Amino acid sequence: DQQVKQNSPSLSVQEGRISILNCDYTNSMFDYFLWYKKYPAEGPTFLISISSIKDKNEDGRFTVFLNKSAKHLSLHIVPSQPGDSAVYFCAATKTSYDKVIFGPGTSLSVIP
Amino acid sequence: SAVISQKPSRDICQRGTSLTIQCQVDSQVTMMFWYRQQPGQSLTLIATANQGSEATYESGFVIDKFPISRPNLTFSTLTVSNMSPEDSSIYLCSVLAGTYEQYFGPGTRLTVT
Repeated sequence: DQQVKQNSPSLSVQEGRISILNCDYTNSMFDYFLWYKKYPAEGPTFLISISSIKDKNEDGRFTVFLNKSAKHLSLHIVPSQPGDSAVYFCAATKTSYDKVIFGPGTSLSVIP
Repeated sequence: SAVISQKPSRDICQRGTSLTIQCQVDSQVTMMFWYRQQPGQSLTLIATANQGSEATYESGFVIDKFPISRPNLTFSTLTVSNMSPEDSSIYLCSVLAGTYEQYFGPGTRLTVT
């Protein structure tokens, strides 16, 4: 049972344009969501997070949107840069729960 | 933030042997986690390792196959025992920093032949 889903295994975007990575979850108890970025031969790096009490969180070029009713979140990268090319993992957890559930990842390629 | 190192970075092992992976953190942390990422798959939590107590294993993972040590607040080891080709994966350790954010080590790429 996959509780966190990323239905697009890959995404290709032109440099300077917007990248939108999508994530869906099934467990309504999740109340904290995270995005990680992973380069080859490296461990995942924390990127941005959002609590369920918010519907948007922004950090520089990265913005995460949360739609609780749809159990959907998205990561927007504007403008996209070649250095953003990596695998992006969506993850979810619930308050007072130390286990984080990761999605399968989306491989983003930003074309110069 | 925390800086995490893992040894070895990669290894090729024969079926039936065991490999111990080391994870070192540059600061004291209470909770450490061990994950597995099989080819083309997401990160799967193997176990949570707290200093001074037995590791807590997730469904599908057992101590006999993946024994874990946590002798102090900066170090942990994961052993992959009696390996088979299905154990070929990237093994990652991580620590909790902040509320739910985790910092990951660079991973150990294991190939079992």
